[in-house]
Amino acid sequence: GENVEQHPSTLSVQEGDSAVIKCTYSDSASNYFPWYKQELGKRPQLIIDIRSNVGEKKDQRIAVTLNKTAKHFSLHITETQPEDSAVYFCAANDYKLSFGAGTTVTVRA
Amino acid sequence: DADVTQTPRNRITKTGKRIMLECSQTKGHDRMYWYRQDPGLGLRLIYYSFDVKDINKGEISDGYSVSRQAQAKFSLSLESAIPNQTALYFCATSDLGGDRNEQFFGPGTRLTVL
Repeated sequence: GENVEQHPSTLSVQEGDSAVIKCTYSDSASNYFPWYKQELGKRPQLIIDIRSNVGEKKDQRIAVTLNKTAKHFSLHITETQPEDSAVYFCAANDYKLSFGAGTTVTVRA
Repeated sequence: DADVTQTPRNRITKTGKRIMLECSQTKGHDRMYWYRQDPGLGLRLIYYSFDVKDINKGEISDGYSVSRQAQAKFSLSLESAIPNQTALYFCATSDLGGDRNEQFFGPGTRLTVL
């Protein structure tokens, strides 16, 4: 089955700086790569996703990149704000989602 | 608004007890999932169902069973609860069509087994 690894497990950034989270996957059949954000005490919610036929996608301060050859994808958050503090999960989909272990992002004021 | 709901939201039980967690959805989605969340381990799939007659084991199904009573309802049972099943449990749904698999999560059930 699919195996998704996510790094780093924790990330602390100064407000206004950028944050980058990286994930690798093992199954070349995976074709859809979403990112979920989970605020403290809340349910995970989709923030951005990318399909295997696309290399990069951007939505305001959030961007994702995908390298299918290397089997890795990344989440980039620019101009971080306190409300970006949360746990972020990457995932890879063949016929079901497999999630990474999560990254706890803390934005320091 | 169409939503995914879970009951109970919190449960404390004792070792050996049978526990059922329930999930209902008004999104009209065919696919439903049960996940378990532990610190540092992310979201791990317990069981999933692509329609009412379809039930599949996930990566950590031992000690759990499920029932898909209707398109909108998917229950998770712990036949004989043990302390290492203490965790946060999420139900999720997704739509059948297209090549995306966006999942919509319920609010979670925090289960403590003493």
